[in-house]
Amino acid sequence: GDSVTQMEGPVTLSEEAFLTINCTYTATGYPSLFWYVQYPGEGLQLLLKATKADDKGSNKGFEATYRKETTSFHLEKGSVQVSDSAVYFCALILPGAGSYQLTFGKGTKLSVIP
Amino acid sequence: DGGITQSPKYLFRKEGQNVTLSCEQNLNHDAMYWYRQDPGQGLRLIYYSQIVNDFQKGDIAEGYSVSREKKESFPLTVTSAQKNPTAFYLCASSIGEKQYFGPGTRLTVT
Repeated sequence: GDSVTQMEGPVTLSEEAFLTINCTYTATGYPSLFWYVQYPGEGLQLLLKATKADDKGSNKGFEATYRKETTSFHLEKGSVQVSDSAVYFCALILPGAGSYQLTFGKGTKLSVIP
Repeated sequence: DGGITQSPKYLFRKEGQNVTLSCEQNLNHDAMYWYRQDPGQGLRLIYYSQIVNDFQKGDIAEGYSVSREKKESFPLTVTSAQKNPTAFYLCASSIGEKQYFGPGTRLTVT
């Protein structure tokens, strides 16, 4: 079945450090890929998305590139801030059959210290 | 403001009682979803509905029930048959591929 694997956390970084959170996927079709962010005590917010190979999603300084050859969608940010502390979820959707069911990874908790 | 509301934010129940979690959206979305979140498990789909008066089981539907009588509302009932009901429950709605999430309800059953 379809699945998403993320690097296990927690990840602790100093402010202004470079961030990479790895995400790989297994899918029978051609999925769209997403990163969602969850701040403490809140629901999830869409951070960025990519719908086809070599697409780069970006938002708030975060970027991720859809790599079909390595089935990956790694999240990166050049300089993290304390306000980036949250849980990050990689997810995929396989369009078709009229439904859009997200398959999530287990999440990676990021803590940024001043 | 358009969005998804879930109430209450925290809910406490005794074991053996059924409990209903509310989810309302004013985004005019056709599709709605319920997820369960446990520490280290990510989100797992409980039920989803693509249109009024229709819904389908997700990956972990056992011990849960839903209804979709109105487009705006998709309540989730956690029944006494659910073995481990304590969790964080998230409701979402979608237009196309983009899902919008509510703030969640944390249910504690003792």
